[in-house]
Amino acid sequence: DTEVTQTPKHLVMGMTNKKSLKCEQHMGHRAMYWYKQKAKKPPELMFVYSYEKLSINESVPSRFSPECPNSSLLNLHLHALQPEDSALYLCASSQVGSLQETQYFGPGTRLLVL
Amino acid sequence: QQQVKQSPQSLIVQKGGISIINCAYENTAFDYFPWYQQFPGKGPALLIAIRPDVSEKKEGRFTISFNKSAKQFSLHIMDSQPGDSATYFCAASGSGGYQKVTFGTGTKLQVIP
Repeated sequence: DTEVTQTPKHLVMGMTNKKSLKCEQHMGHRAMYWYKQKAKKPPELMFVYSYEKLSINESVPSRFSPECPNSSLLNLHLHALQPEDSALYLCASSQVGSLQETQYFGPGTRLLVL
Repeated sequence: QQQVKQSPQSLIVQKGGISIINCAYENTAFDYFPWYQQFPGKGPALLIAIRPDVSEKKEGRFTISFNKSAKQFSLHIMDSQPGDSATYFCAASGSGGYQKVTFGTGTKLQVIP
């Protein structure tokens, strides 16, 4: 099973709202990732968690706040977003170790900020 | 040095034809090269991947050719089908631990009947 699930599938929020995106995997992967993807562009890395610890933050604005409650779950808390933050938000997971680099992506959450 | 250059940006192929997408990289520390297929509104899905110790890998209709000395790799889709119409991303990363993946810019493939 190589499934990564994400909820919700679609989200519309105002600039003053607070919302959360959720990601779950049951493959025993210990690295989890958040990506942002704009139309016709490749995914852009935002955060990496390894063994539930934040390992990479790609200088993402503080209005995005990641959280990794356990090895299977990854959340992205959103607050005071801007219209330019509208995008497809992708979660991915991978093993941590040599020859185990493949990242498996979820279907994404399509976010629209009004 | 972290870039992966991908071409063409878009590609139209007749059903049954061969689709070829090319990528080039500069960072010699890269040693894992996956290709992802993405349909509209979906997340990228791993299609096939290669490591630099082999020059070619084939899985069904999909083949990766890898030229380590030229730092280039390509995806060949044989007998292209309309269902192959999607955006394809080449990518590169190091190995071991968690990895920061560098994606190519993507190729939108359209296979026409």
